[in-house]
Amino acid sequence: DQQVKQNSPSLSVQEGRISILNCDYTNSMFDYFLWYKKYPAEGPTFLISISSIKDKNEDGRFTVFLNKSAKHLSLHIVPSQPGDSAVYFCAASAIKGTGTASKLTFGTGTRLQVTL
Amino acid sequence: DAGVTQSPTHLIKTRGQQVTLRCSPKSGHDTVSWYQQALGQGPQFIFQYYEEEERQRGNFPDRFSGHQFPNYSSELNVNALLLGDSALYLCASSWAGLAKNIQYFGAGTRLSVL
Repeated sequence: DQQVKQNSPSLSVQEGRISILNCDYTNSMFDYFLWYKKYPAEGPTFLISISSIKDKNEDGRFTVFLNKSAKHLSLHIVPSQPGDSAVYFCAASAIKGTGTASKLTFGTGTRLQVTL
Repeated sequence: DAGVTQSPTHLIKTRGQQVTLRCSPKSGHDTVSWYQQALGQGPQFIFQYYEEEERQRGNFPDRFSGHQFPNYSSELNVNALLLGDSALYLCASSWAGLAKNIQYFGAGTRLSVL
């Protein structure tokens, strides 16, 4: 049962254009969402997150949008740069409060290639 | 400030053997989570340790066990290895005092079971 889905295995975008990566989830208990970027031979690197009380969060070139009613989130990268080429994972968790961190449920990833 | 470190980087074992993977969390972090990432898949949660106890567990058999030490470092043990255990094993650390759960990952241990 795939609770977090990234339906596009790959995406190719020209340098300078917008990259849009999508993610859908099915578990209504999820209330915190994260995007991670992964280069080969490295661990996932945290990129940006959003709480379910918000519908948008920005950090520089990266913006995450959350549509709770559709159980959908997206990551926008503007402008895209060649160094952004990596695998991007969407992850979700149900915040338990302080005490312990909640487990992350990941999608299968989208490979982004930014071409010159 | 050292990030999450894992050892060894690569490991080759044969079926039926046992393996121990190690993780040192990021400075200031007290919680360690372990994930298994099979080829072409996203990381899957194995279990989490906090205050030297297993706090949460994913859908993995008892062959997978772990430990957390007083200095917050952690070990993942896998007994009776199967071919299907071949994967990248990722350790992630976080701070329990922060409700927003940003976990920071190490580079992983690549386990090959022959």
